[in-house]
Amino acid sequence: QVQLQESGPGLVKPSQTLSLTCTVSGGSISSGSYYWSWIRQPAGKGLEWIGRIYPSGSTNYNPSLKSRVTISVDTSKNQFSLKLSSVTAADTAVYYCARVGMGGGIVDYWGQGTLVTVSS
Amino acid sequence: EMVMTQSPATLSVSPGERATLSCRASQSVSSNLAWYQQKPGQAPSLLIYGASTRATGIPARFSGSGSGTEFTLTISSLQSEDFAVYYCQQYNNWPYTFGQGTKLEIK
Repeated sequence: QVQLQESGPGLVKPSQTLSLTCTVSGGSISSGSYYWSWIRQPAGKGLEWIGRIYPSGSTNYNPSLKSRVTISVDTSKNQFSLKLSSVTAADTAVYYCARVGMGGGIVDYWGQGTLVTVSS
Repeated sequence: EMVMTQSPATLSVSPGERATLSCRASQSVSSNLAWYQQKPGQAPSLLIYGASTRATGIPARFSGSGSGTEFTLTISSLQSEDFAVYYCQQYNNWPYTFGQGTKLEIK
């Protein structure tokens, strides 16, 4: 059973960089035809796909965030990471890491999510 | 960006009754449509993909239909554990996008 766990600061100051890591267990991040993604959800609102990465390092970012987002993968640690720069209060949300299968568009495993608040 | 519109925003249904949730895409997504269920304080979980294929372990009371721009999720006989928020998501065009959700509440 694949499990994903997000980790990182729960509070980030405006204009700083949000950094999160997702640790994958129960399977290798390098095996199979899976993408690994970050998705966020502001409180009481819907879901927004931030971006995805293939184990080779190939990435796709949401154009609305592309200038501020970097997703990277460390296959030796079975982890992938998110960096979001120049954050504002609008970036306050629950951030989920996720495994995306079946062609790269369907989320079949989710992390539990981590709340990141942007505030001074 | 593809816009996904779900209706209604809130649906009140009694246990044992049928619930029908709708999702409309701003342009055709073929059958590249998934449905997720989210309960309070939890991550979403996959119900349906390919517009009509149930994910592993999903009960037969959940069914999906549609193609192109119009999609429906039907829950044939609501159980207490089915009251939650449901999201549709297209994976035909990047960035993949979600609808705003339908909250299914107990009548």
